[in-house]
Amino acid sequence: KQEVTQIPAALSVPEGENLVLNCSFTDSAIYNLQWFRQDPGKGLTSLLLIQSSQREQTSGRLNASLDKSSGRSTLYIAASQPGDSATYLCAVINTGTASKLTFGTGTRLQVTL
Amino acid sequence: NAGVTQTPKFQVLKTGQSMTLQCAQDMNHNSMYWYRQDPGMGLRLIYYSASEGTTDKGEVPNGYNVSRLNKREFSLRLESAAPSQTSVYFCASSEATGLPNEQFFGPGTRLTVL
Repeated sequence: KQEVTQIPAALSVPEGENLVLNCSFTDSAIYNLQWFRQDPGKGLTSLLLIQSSQREQTSGRLNASLDKSSGRSTLYIAASQPGDSATYLCAVINTGTASKLTFGTGTRLQVTL
Repeated sequence: NAGVTQTPKFQVLKTGQSMTLQCAQDMNHNSMYWYRQDPGMGLRLIYYSASEGTTDKGEVPNGYNVSRLNKREFSLRLESAAPSQTSVYFCASSEATGLPNEQFFGPGTRLTVL
C-alpha cells in the first residue's frame, strides 16, 4: 500500500528565505506526483504536476523535483513571502490505479515578516 | 469559468438523517472524484467517476452512494449519517483518468453529524 509522508509537519521561516518542502513515498511505481496548496478553510489549489518521466517542473518561484528511484520529491520555494503561508500537500498516483491520488498529511508553512 | 463548485458550504445533520452533496464542473472534464479530509489522515478517495455513466469505489466508500447525473455533475449521498462521517468533503475533476490526470478541486463542504 502506497504511503506518502511529508516532513516537517510545520515550518516557520522569515520573509525572503528560500525553503524546501519534502515528500516521500514508499512505492516508486507512480504515474505522477502533484503538489497542492491549501489555505485555511479553503479547497486545494494545484501548483505543479510532475509526470513519472520528468524530473522537475517549474512555475514562477516554485520548483518541484522528482526522484522516483529514491521515492522522494521536493518543492522549492524561492524568496518566500507572507502570502506563501498555507499548507502544502503532495499526492501521487500509482501505476495500475490511474485515478486514485494518495495524499500526504501536508506541511503547514508560515512566512513571517 | 467557475471551475469546480460545491453546495452546500456547511451542513449540520443529526445521526440518521440523509443528505446529498452537490458538485458541478464547467471545464468539460470527463472524470470526477469525491474525497474526504480528516485531521491527521490526509485526503481519502470515497468514489470516482471515470466518465459519464460510470462510477467506482475508492478507499472509503462505506456509508456513501454517488450519482453521475451528467458530464458536469457528480453528487454524493449519505443515506443515514453517522458521527464518523463528520468531515470536510471535496469534489475534484480531471480531463480523464489517463495520464497526466491533473486534478482540480472545489472549495469543500464542511459537514458535522451530531
